[in-house]
Amino acid sequence: QVQLLESGPGLVMPSETLSLTCSVSGSSITRGYYWGWVRHTPGKGLQWIGSVFYSGSAYYNPSLESRVTISVDTSKNHFSLKLSGVTAADTAVFYCARFSRPGYYTEYFQHWGQGILVTVSS
Amino acid sequence: IVLTQSPVTLSLSPGERATLLCRASQSVSSDLAWYQQKPGQAPRLLIYDASNRATGIPARFSGSGSGTDFTLTISSLEPEDFAVYYCQQRFNWITFGQGTRLEIK
Repeated sequence: QVQLLESGPGLVMPSETLSLTCSVSGSSITRGYYWGWVRHTPGKGLQWIGSVFYSGSAYYNPSLESRVTISVDTSKNHFSLKLSGVTAADTAVFYCARFSRPGYYTEYFQHWGQGILVTVSS
Repeated sequence: IVLTQSPVTLSLSPGERATLLCRASQSVSSDLAWYQQKPGQAPRLLIYDASNRATGIPARFSGSGSGTDFTLTISSLEPEDFAVYYCQQRFNWITFGQGTRLEIK
């Protein structure tokens, strides 16, 4: 059974870079699926941030693309999110997830992490 | 693509039938999923490709629709079904609806 676990700081200062890691167990990150990040805010609900393949190929939400980088480390079986220039509006619960079918860079999310609350505040 | 869910809140009793709607701002073909989310938990995939139940999802959950109008039906509500439900499209990038809260009447 695929399991995902988010980790990273729960508090980030405004204008700084938010960095999170998703550790994957129960499956190799190289199995052919895309892996993604989704956030949940009270104001905007669920928002897809981006998706990455084990090769490093990544796709981003156009509304966030200028601030987002998603990368993968196959040796550690994990992938990471960096969101730069954060403001209070970026405060959210961040989820990492795996798509339901291999090979698609836009898909449905079958497996989810438990989520991590990141607050942007000074 | 903007997904608009209705109603925002639905108040029903256990045993009743629930009908949740999701309308897309343009056609998404059948590239639509439904999720259930309970407080403190991640969303759970219920329905994919508009009408296919995900693994382990009870038969009381069903989805229908194509193009711009979609429906999630729960045939007879169980106590554990009261939650927030979201639709999601994958036709043009990925977007979610704002959610429908299903509450106990």
